[in-house]
Amino acid sequence: AQTVTQSQPEMSVQEAETVTLSCTYDTSENNYYLFWYKQPPSRQMILVIRQEAYKQQNATENRFSVNFQKAAKSFSLKISDSQLGDTAMYFCAFRSTTSGTYKYIFGTGTRLKVLA
Amino acid sequence: KAGVTQTPRYLIKTRGQQVTLSCSPISGHRSVSWYQQTPGQGLQFLFEYFSETQRNKGNFPGRFSGRQFSNSRSEMNVSTLELGDSALYLCASSDGTVNEQFFGPGTRLTVL
Repeated sequence: AQTVTQSQPEMSVQEAETVTLSCTYDTSENNYYLFWYKQPPSRQMILVIRQEAYKQQNATENRFSVNFQKAAKSFSLKISDSQLGDTAMYFCAFRSTTSGTYKYIFGTGTRLKVLA
Repeated sequence: KAGVTQTPRYLIKTRGQQVTLSCSPISGHRSVSWYQQTPGQGLQFLFEYFSETQRNKGNFPGRFSGRQFSNSRSEMNVSTLELGDSALYLCASSDGTVNEQFFGPGTRLTVL
């Protein structure tokens, strides 16, 4: 069974600094999708970034980028130039591409606080 | 397009009661997934419905059930509520492929 592990329950970073959130996963599949979702306080969860396992190039979305290490089954999120609005829970998620297996597996989340 | 909506937003129930939560997906989305979110446990997958059929199911007891209607709206039912069922219940819709899920605001259920 697939698992997703986020080993950092809480982190903090100074505004304008860079922070990296860790995520590891376990799967026997070769092709799958990985996601980072952001859940701001009392607000809806939104997608931050997505990575297809068959793509070697790391995904980037503005200030957000990932370091995808397929062999190590690691998928970390780097936030550059942190802003106060980045304060949120961040969830790493895995999604199989095997037909019939459409559920997402989420990690337990990392609570990030950006300090002014 | 309107986003994913969930009703009610807050619920307070007592042990032993049952509850029904509702989720309206984004127009055109045929897949609706339900998750239970608790502190320390993250999001636990409950089930996914696609075109009125349960396509996948998580590891929750049979007290948790769901259904999806022809207009893709989905309901989740929890019977014989327990204190441990207190959680934020999130619904997410997608087009049923590997594209992203869009989450609703959630229903906060408190069981007393």
